[in-house]
Amino acid sequence: GNSVTQMEGPVTLSEEAFLTINCTYTATGYPSLFWYVQYPGEGLQLLLKATKADDKGSNKGFEATYRKETTSFHLEKGSVQVSDSAVYFCALPAGGTSYGKLTFGQGTILTVHP
Amino acid sequence: DGGITQSPKYLFRKEGQNVTLSCEQNLNHDAMYWYRQDPGQGLRLIYYSQIVNDFQKGDIAEGYSVSREKKESFPLTVTSAQKNPTAFYLCASIQAGTAIDEQFFGPGTRLTVL
Repeated sequence: GNSVTQMEGPVTLSEEAFLTINCTYTATGYPSLFWYVQYPGEGLQLLLKATKADDKGSNKGFEATYRKETTSFHLEKGSVQVSDSAVYFCALPAGGTSYGKLTFGQGTILTVHP
Repeated sequence: DGGITQSPKYLFRKEGQNVTLSCEQNLNHDAMYWYRQDPGQGLRLIYYSQIVNDFQKGDIAEGYSVSREKKESFPLTVTSAQKNPTAFYLCASIQAGTAIDEQFFGPGTRLTVL
């Protein structure tokens, strides 16, 4: 099946710093790629997605580009805010016959200080 | 508004007790999932169901049971056989047969064994 390797954290930044969280994947074909965000004590929310190679997903100032050459989907933000403190998960369909099943990275804890 | 609800938000269990976590969705989604999240860790799949009256074990099904009698409901029972049940439990769903391929998550239930 498909798999994902996500940059380990935690990541601690000052407000307005640049953020990169690395994500690489192994997959059959070109499945959709996702970034989910989990704020403290809450469930996961879809942050952004890309459905094909070279697509760029973006939301709330975050961006990630689907790069098939490097099998990567790194998450970036030019200027983080305290409110971005959360856990970020990279994910993709698990593959095989189980429709809708996702494979998640281990999550990266981001803490942004004022 | 459509979405996924989980109840209760916090649940306390005594040793040897079975407890049931509720998950309801009004998104008309076919497939539903249960995940377990331990502190500082990623998501692990417990059970999933792609259609009413059918479900499959995930990666860590031992000590858990589920049912899927209605499309909108997918309750999870944590049995006394689960030796370390303290965790955050997340329910998710996805629609089959459309271009929307991301999972939608509920707000989670935090289970603590006393």
